[in-house]
Amino acid sequence: AQSVAQPEDQVNVAEGNPLTVKCTYSVSGNPYLFWYVQYPNRGLQFLLKYITGDNLVKGSYGFEAEFNKSQTSFHLKKPSALVSDSALYFCAVREKGSGGYNKLIFGAGTRLAVHP
Amino acid sequence: KAGVTQTPRYLIKTRGQQVTLSCSPISGHRSVSWYQQTPGQGLQFLFEYFSETQRNKGNFPGRFSGRQFSNSRSEMNVSTLELGDSALYLCASSLVMGEETQYFGPGTRLLVL
Repeated sequence: AQSVAQPEDQVNVAEGNPLTVKCTYSVSGNPYLFWYVQYPNRGLQFLLKYITGDNLVKGSYGFEAEFNKSQTSFHLKKPSALVSDSALYFCAVREKGSGGYNKLIFGAGTRLAVHP
Repeated sequence: KAGVTQTPRYLIKTRGQQVTLSCSPISGHRSVSWYQQTPGQGLQFLFEYFSETQRNKGNFPGRFSGRQFSNSRSEMNVSTLELGDSALYLCASSLVMGEETQYFGPGTRLLVL
Protein backbone atom coordinates (compact mmCIF):
# COMPACT_ATOMS: atom_id res chain seq x y z
CA ALA A 1 0.00 0.00 0.00
CA GLN A 2 1.19 3.47 -0.78
CA SER A 3 1.66 5.97 2.01
CA VAL A 4 3.25 9.24 2.98
CA ALA A 5 4.55 10.33 6.35
CA GLN A 6 5.02 13.81 7.73
CA PRO A 7 7.20 13.31 10.80
CA GLU A 8 6.62 16.74 12.33
CA ASP A 9 3.29 17.87 13.71
CA GLN A 10 4.49 21.45 13.86
CA VAL A 11 7.37 23.49 12.49
CA ASN A 12 8.27 26.87 13.97
CA VAL A 13 10.29 29.35 11.93
CA ALA A 14 11.22 33.00 12.33
CA GLU A 15 10.14 35.31 9.54
CA GLY A 16 12.89 35.70 6.95
CA ASN A 17 14.51 32.37 7.78
CA PRO A 18 14.42 29.38 5.43
CA LEU A 19 11.79 26.75 6.12
CA THR A 20 11.59 23.02 5.49
CA VAL A 21 8.54 20.80 5.90
CA LYS A 22 9.42 17.12 5.69
CA CYS A 23 7.69 14.32 3.83
CA THR A 24 8.71 10.73 3.17
CA TYR A 25 6.86 8.28 0.97
CA SER A 26 6.42 4.59 0.40
CA VAL A 27 5.18 3.55 -3.04
CA SER A 28 5.57 0.79 -5.55
CA GLY A 29 6.70 2.12 -8.88
CA ASN A 30 7.27 5.74 -9.72
CA PRO A 31 5.76 8.17 -7.23
CA TYR A 32 3.51 11.04 -8.14
CA LEU A 33 3.90 13.47 -5.23
CA PHE A 34 2.06 16.63 -4.26
CA TRP A 35 2.06 19.42 -1.72
CA TYR A 36 -1.11 21.23 -0.70
CA VAL A 37 -1.64 24.03 1.82
CA GLN A 38 -4.74 24.68 3.91
CA TYR A 39 -5.54 27.98 5.55
CA PRO A 40 -8.11 28.18 8.38
CA ASN A 41 -11.67 27.46 7.24
CA ARG A 42 -10.51 26.93 3.67
CA GLY A 43 -10.07 24.02 1.32
CA LEU A 44 -6.74 22.74 0.05
CA GLN A 45 -4.67 24.85 -2.31
CA PHE A 46 -2.31 23.11 -4.75
CA LEU A 47 1.32 24.18 -4.32
CA LEU A 48 3.38 21.88 -6.52
CA LYS A 49 3.85 18.36 -7.81
CA TYR A 50 6.55 15.94 -8.88
CA ILE A 51 5.76 13.58 -11.72
CA THR A 52 9.08 13.11 -13.46
CA GLY A 53 12.10 15.13 -14.53
CA ASP A 54 14.10 17.54 -12.42
CA ASN A 55 14.36 16.63 -8.77
CA LEU A 56 13.83 20.27 -7.75
CA VAL A 57 10.27 21.34 -8.38
CA LYS A 58 9.19 24.97 -8.17
CA GLY A 59 5.66 25.87 -7.19
CA SER A 60 3.39 28.66 -6.09
CA TYR A 61 4.18 31.44 -3.60
CA GLY A 62 7.94 30.85 -3.77
CA PHE A 63 7.78 27.26 -2.53
CA GLU A 64 9.88 24.47 -3.97
CA ALA A 65 10.32 20.81 -3.18
CA GLU A 66 13.20 18.42 -3.61
CA PHE A 67 12.54 14.86 -4.71
CA ASN A 68 15.10 12.40 -3.38
CA LYS A 69 14.61 8.86 -4.61
CA SER A 70 17.33 7.26 -2.50
CA GLN A 71 15.91 8.75 0.69
CA THR A 72 12.27 8.42 -0.50
CA SER A 73 11.69 12.02 0.51
CA PHE A 74 9.91 15.03 -0.94
CA HIS A 75 10.61 17.93 1.42
CA LEU A 76 8.95 21.30 0.93
CA LYS A 77 11.20 24.35 1.16
CA LYS A 78 11.15 28.10 0.97
CA PRO A 79 14.24 30.34 1.19
CA SER A 80 12.60 33.09 3.25
CA ALA A 81 9.47 32.48 5.32
CA LEU A 82 6.62 34.96 5.64
CA VAL A 83 4.15 35.25 8.49
CA SER A 84 1.44 34.70 5.89
CA ASP A 85 2.90 31.23 5.17
CA SER A 86 1.54 30.06 8.52
CA ALA A 87 -0.89 27.28 7.64
CA LEU A 88 -1.37 23.52 7.54
CA TYR A 89 0.67 21.72 4.89
CA PHE A 90 -0.15 18.32 3.43
CA CYS A 91 2.04 15.98 1.42
CA ALA A 92 0.19 13.50 -0.80
CA VAL A 93 0.92 10.63 -3.16
CA ARG A 94 -1.31 9.61 -6.02
CA GLU A 95 -2.56 6.07 -6.12
CA LYS A 96 -3.56 5.19 -9.63
CA GLY A 97 -5.58 2.08 -10.24
CA SER A 98 -5.69 -0.15 -13.27
CA GLY A 99 -9.05 1.37 -14.11
CA GLY A 100 -7.40 4.75 -14.34
CA TYR A 101 -8.87 6.11 -11.17
CA ASN A 102 -7.12 8.90 -9.39
CA LYS A 103 -6.92 8.88 -5.60
CA LEU A 104 -4.74 10.98 -3.33
CA ILE A 105 -3.32 9.54 -0.14
CA PHE A 106 -2.45 12.28 2.31
CA GLY A 107 -0.02 12.60 5.16
CA ALA A 108 -1.27 13.74 8.55
CA GLY A 109 -0.27 17.33 7.91
CA THR A 110 2.32 19.68 9.39
CA ARG A 111 1.36 22.95 10.97
CA LEU A 112 3.79 25.71 10.02
CA ALA A 113 4.02 28.68 12.36
CA VAL A 114 6.09 31.64 11.18
CA HIS A 115 6.84 34.12 13.95
CA PRO A 116 7.54 37.84 13.30
CA LYS B 1 -11.96 30.76 -14.42
CA ALA B 2 -14.03 30.08 -11.33
CA GLY B 3 -12.75 27.45 -8.93
CA VAL B 4 -14.52 24.49 -7.42
CA THR B 5 -17.64 25.55 -5.54
CA GLN B 6 -19.37 23.66 -2.77
CA THR B 7 -22.74 24.25 -1.18
CA PRO B 8 -23.71 24.68 1.52
CA ARG B 9 -20.60 25.83 3.33
CA TYR B 10 -21.93 24.95 6.78
CA LEU B 11 -24.56 22.50 7.91
CA ILE B 12 -25.93 21.35 11.22
CA LYS B 13 -27.91 18.12 11.40
CA THR B 14 -29.04 15.72 14.10
CA ARG B 15 -28.31 12.03 14.39
CA GLY B 16 -30.42 9.88 12.13
CA GLN B 17 -31.05 12.57 9.55
CA GLN B 18 -29.66 12.52 6.04
CA VAL B 19 -27.73 15.21 4.21
CA THR B 20 -26.86 16.07 0.61
CA LEU B 21 -23.80 18.10 -0.31
CA SER B 22 -23.20 19.65 -3.70
CA CYS B 23 -20.06 20.28 -5.73
CA SER B 24 -19.58 22.16 -8.98
CA PRO B 25 -16.21 21.46 -10.60
CA ILE B 26 -14.02 23.90 -12.47
CA SER B 27 -15.48 24.55 -15.91
CA GLY B 28 -14.32 21.84 -18.30
CA HIS B 29 -13.26 19.45 -15.54
CA ARG B 30 -14.98 16.10 -15.79
CA SER B 31 -13.61 14.17 -12.83
CA VAL B 32 -14.85 14.86 -9.31
CA SER B 33 -13.53 13.30 -6.12
CA TRP B 34 -14.73 13.62 -2.53
CA TYR B 35 -12.66 13.54 0.65
CA GLN B 36 -13.54 13.64 4.34
CA GLN B 37 -11.32 15.58 6.73
CA THR B 38 -11.47 14.99 10.49
CA PRO B 39 -8.99 15.80 13.28
CA GLY B 40 -8.66 12.13 14.16
CA GLN B 41 -8.49 10.45 10.76
CA GLY B 42 -7.11 13.26 8.63
CA LEU B 43 -7.95 13.39 4.95
CA GLN B 44 -9.60 10.26 3.60
CA PHE B 45 -10.79 9.46 0.10
CA LEU B 46 -14.51 8.83 -0.30
CA PHE B 47 -15.09 8.30 -4.01
CA GLU B 48 -14.32 9.50 -7.53
CA TYR B 49 -16.77 10.11 -10.37
CA PHE B 50 -16.16 10.45 -14.06
CA SER B 51 -18.71 10.51 -16.86
CA GLU B 52 -21.53 10.03 -14.36
CA THR B 53 -20.00 6.77 -13.12
CA GLN B 54 -18.36 6.01 -9.79
CA ARG B 55 -14.87 4.85 -10.65
CA ASN B 56 -13.44 4.22 -7.21
CA LYS B 57 -14.65 4.12 -3.65
CA GLY B 58 -12.86 4.44 -0.33
CA ASN B 59 -13.45 2.47 2.86
CA PHE B 60 -16.64 4.09 4.01
CA PRO B 61 -19.96 2.44 4.88
CA GLY B 62 -22.80 2.27 2.40
CA ARG B 63 -24.45 5.22 4.13
CA PHE B 64 -22.12 7.37 2.06
CA SER B 65 -23.12 7.62 -1.58
CA GLY B 66 -22.80 10.01 -4.44
CA ARG B 67 -23.62 10.72 -8.00
CA GLN B 68 -22.49 12.84 -10.89
CA PHE B 69 -24.66 14.61 -13.41
CA SER B 70 -24.16 15.11 -17.13
CA ASN B 71 -22.78 18.61 -16.51
CA SER B 72 -20.13 17.06 -14.19
CA ARG B 73 -21.67 18.53 -11.05
CA SER B 74 -21.66 16.04 -8.22
CA GLU B 75 -23.59 15.40 -5.04
CA MET B 76 -22.79 13.24 -2.10
CA ASN B 77 -25.36 11.93 0.33
CA VAL B 78 -24.96 10.63 3.85
CA SER B 79 -27.92 8.81 5.30
CA THR B 80 -28.65 7.99 8.94
CA LEU B 81 -26.11 10.48 10.22
CA GLU B 82 -23.87 9.57 13.14
CA LEU B 83 -21.93 11.88 15.44
CA GLY B 84 -18.71 10.64 13.85
CA ASP B 85 -19.79 11.97 10.48
CA SER B 86 -19.03 15.49 11.69
CA ALA B 87 -16.25 16.61 9.37
CA LEU B 88 -15.15 18.91 6.61
CA TYR B 89 -16.16 17.37 3.28
CA LEU B 90 -13.96 18.42 0.42
CA CYS B 91 -14.64 18.10 -3.26
CA ALA B 92 -11.86 18.14 -5.84
CA SER B 93 -11.97 18.28 -9.61
CA SER B 94 -9.53 17.42 -12.35
CA LEU B 95 -9.66 17.74 -16.08
CA VAL B 96 -10.02 14.06 -16.81
CA MET B 97 -9.81 10.87 -14.83
CA GLY B 98 -6.19 10.09 -14.12
CA GLU B 99 -5.16 13.73 -14.47
CA GLU B 100 -2.53 14.29 -11.85
CA THR B 101 -3.58 17.55 -10.27
CA GLN B 102 -6.79 17.80 -8.30
CA TYR B 103 -8.12 21.24 -7.37
CA PHE B 104 -10.11 21.49 -4.18
CA GLY B 105 -13.16 23.48 -3.19
CA PRO B 106 -13.57 25.30 0.14
CA GLY B 107 -15.45 22.38 1.67
CA THR B 108 -18.70 21.87 3.51
CA ARG B 109 -18.43 21.71 7.27
CA LEU B 110 -20.99 19.29 8.66
CA LEU B 111 -21.81 19.17 12.34
CA VAL B 112 -23.96 16.29 13.59
CA LEU B 113 -25.59 16.80 16.98
